[in-house]
Amino acid sequence: DIQMTQSPSSLSASVGDRVTITCQASQDISNYLNWYQQKPGKAPKLLIYDASNLETGVPSRFSGSGSGTDFTFTISSLQPEDIATYYCQQYDNLPALTFGGGTKVEIK
Amino acid sequence: QLQLQESGPGLVKPSETLSLTCTVSGGSISSSSYYWGWIRQPPGKGLEWIGSIYYSGSTYYNPSLKSRVTISVDTSKNQFSLKLSSVTAADTAVYYCASESDPTCWGQGTLVTVSS
Repeated sequence: DIQMTQSPSSLSASVGDRVTITCQASQDISNYLNWYQQKPGKAPKLLIYDASNLETGVPSRFSGSGSGTDFTFTISSLQPEDIATYYCQQYDNLPALTFGGGTKVEIK
Repeated sequence: QLQLQESGPGLVKPSETLSLTCTVSGGSISSSSYYWGWIRQPPGKGLEWIGSIYYSGSTYYNPSLKSRVTISVDTSKNQFSLKLSSVTAADTAVYYCASESDPTCWGQGTLVTVSS
């Protein structure tokens, strides 16, 4: 089974700050990685697919990078509406999916 | 555009079987190359893949739940279903259905509480 280790589990940053979340896979998953945003009471929303591709309609302050086992998700300038929990998800061995543990982003 | 909607009891007694259905609209569940999956999220915790079914009927389950899970498809109703047997309080969660082949496509989720 592929394990996904996401860090940090939570962070607090100021509006306008650059925020970075990392995700490490237990084995090479190429670029088969999605990043989701989840707000309370809502289903996860896809932000980034194939590790670095921005989903249509998602603000350009969100970005992703990486391949193989190490991945990074960045919010270039944190906005109040970005308060949420973010998850990475691998789909290298679809249909089996694995999610990272999540990162809760708060405003300082 | 595909839309998914979960339905089923919100309360299940311990040791009983949890049963949920996902209704697919805006497209055919028999579309080739589509995996249809179930994912759950215990209150305040992360996301866990339960299992999925291919349009052909092949099933795939999370090894940690495999002994208790059955996923099936009813193409005539454009639905797929989840059964989880011998539930305990640890199975209390929001259950989502999703199109694993289209990561933008999730149901809204339904809370299932296991309690007597």
